[in-house]
Amino acid sequence: EVQLVESGGGSVQPGGSLRLSCAGSGFTVSTDYMSWVRQAPGKGLEWVSLGHTNGNTYYADSVKGRFTSSRDSAKNMLFLHVNSLRVEDTAVYFCARGRTGDLYWGQGTLVTVSS
Amino acid sequence: DIVMTQTPLSSPVTLGQPASITCKSSQSLVHSDGNTYLSWLQQRPGQPPRLLIYKVSNRFSGVPDRFSGSGSGTDFTLKISRVEAEDVGLYYCMQVTQFPFTFGQGTKLEIK
Repeated sequence: EVQLVESGGGSVQPGGSLRLSCAGSGFTVSTDYMSWVRQAPGKGLEWVSLGHTNGNTYYADSVKGRFTSSRDSAKNMLFLHVNSLRVEDTAVYFCARGRTGDLYWGQGTLVTVSS
Repeated sequence: DIVMTQTPLSSPVTLGQPASITCKSSQSLVHSDGNTYLSWLQQRPGQPPRLLIYKVSNRFSGVPDRFSGSGSGTDFTLKISRVEAEDVGLYYCMQVTQFPFTFGQGTKLEIK
């Protein structure tokens, strides 16, 4: 059974940093499409990053240069390093596996950016 | 970026009656491999999104057959043949043809 469990969210001041984690089970994180998607409170979904099966990672313009996604194949985990946080980055961050008929979502982790 | 536009944004429906949501993309979602990567997601209150339909009309594992998807090119529709109480929530179309992947604004399905 495919499962994804996020952790690492919390409250941080503007300009701060966090590392979000996503533990995968029932599949291999290092070889699948792996994404981060966020949802601001009461708002819709926004794709943040995609770890492609070709090894490349793509980022939304809104986070490019500030967020970095990485994978740890030994731990079967996905990470999102979020730096230079802004108030508008406040959201629940979901990790997702797959792209089309294999798309699964974690429960999400809340990041709150506030002074 | 491909813009996804859903209508309606809110849909009050009577239990047992059908519901329909449309999604239009700002450009064709036909990929160079010939597939059309349009999916529908459901998000129940307080829950993460879950996949309902992928590649326009394919139901994901465990999705009831009252949900169906159709369309082509830039125009797509999600239909629920008979709405049940558990269908309340937000519905999103999303395209994964081209990065950045994009979502519609969401349609809120509620019971009258």
